Amino acid sequence: DAGVIQSPRHEVTEMGQEVTLRCKPISGHDYLFWYRQTMMRGLELLIYFNNNVPIDDSGMPEDRFSAKMPNASFSTLKIQPSEPRDSAVYFCASSPHSGNTEAFFGQGTRLTVV
Amino acid sequence: AQSVSQHNHHVILSEAASLELGCNYSYGGTVNLFWYVQYPGQHLQLLLKYFSGDPLVKGIKGFEAEFIKSKFSFNLRKPSVQWSDTAEYFCAVNGRNQGGKLIFGQGTELSVKP
Repeated sequence: DAGVIQSPRHEVTEMGQEVTLRCKPISGHDYLFWYRQTMMRGLELLIYFNNNVPIDDSGMPEDRFSAKMPNASFSTLKIQPSEPRDSAVYFCASSPHSGNTEAFFGQGTRLTVV
Repeated sequence: AQSVSQHNHHVILSEAASLELGCNYSYGGTVNLFWYVQYPGQHLQLLLKYFSGDPLVKGIKGFEAEFIKSKFSFNLRKPSVQWSDTAEYFCAVNGRNQGGKLIFGQGTELSVKP
């Protein structure tokens, strides 16, 4: 298995532009997570899905952030409009079930908003 | 409140020195515990995990961790570090049956001097 695949790896955009981050979880995994990593706040959970349904989006910082999972093999995290403080590394992770298991992380997308 | 505290923000060691990174957690109920490693520019990889059983857990690359329930701790150890262990180390916790939904510590940056 290729693991969790994220694209793009790097994104540089201007303030006010829309940004879309993409994630393909490991096949067969029921859970998908979006995490954000910053120097100030460390790693924080933004939102997670179970069987394509959003379960908890309490970590989403603002309405400018939205996430979707249209099918079991694809998810997007969108920021519209983007702001410089959104600059961070965004990780997608998946896990096979709700039991005792770890999260498997993608390579991350490094977002820079100028 | 649920939280993870890593006391060491940056640790500098010489090769062959012993390593111990502290991790304490605050979490109601039974927990699962994890250590992840992030090499420069890479994604998070699982070092080891504790779900139940023997509180001394052995992971990859010679790392081990001990769960001490009475101290709410899960410290990471390695008897002899190598230059290639230079990375950031994250302790994480979740409750039973929460899959990949993790609460992370702030991370400890380890620099190993050759």
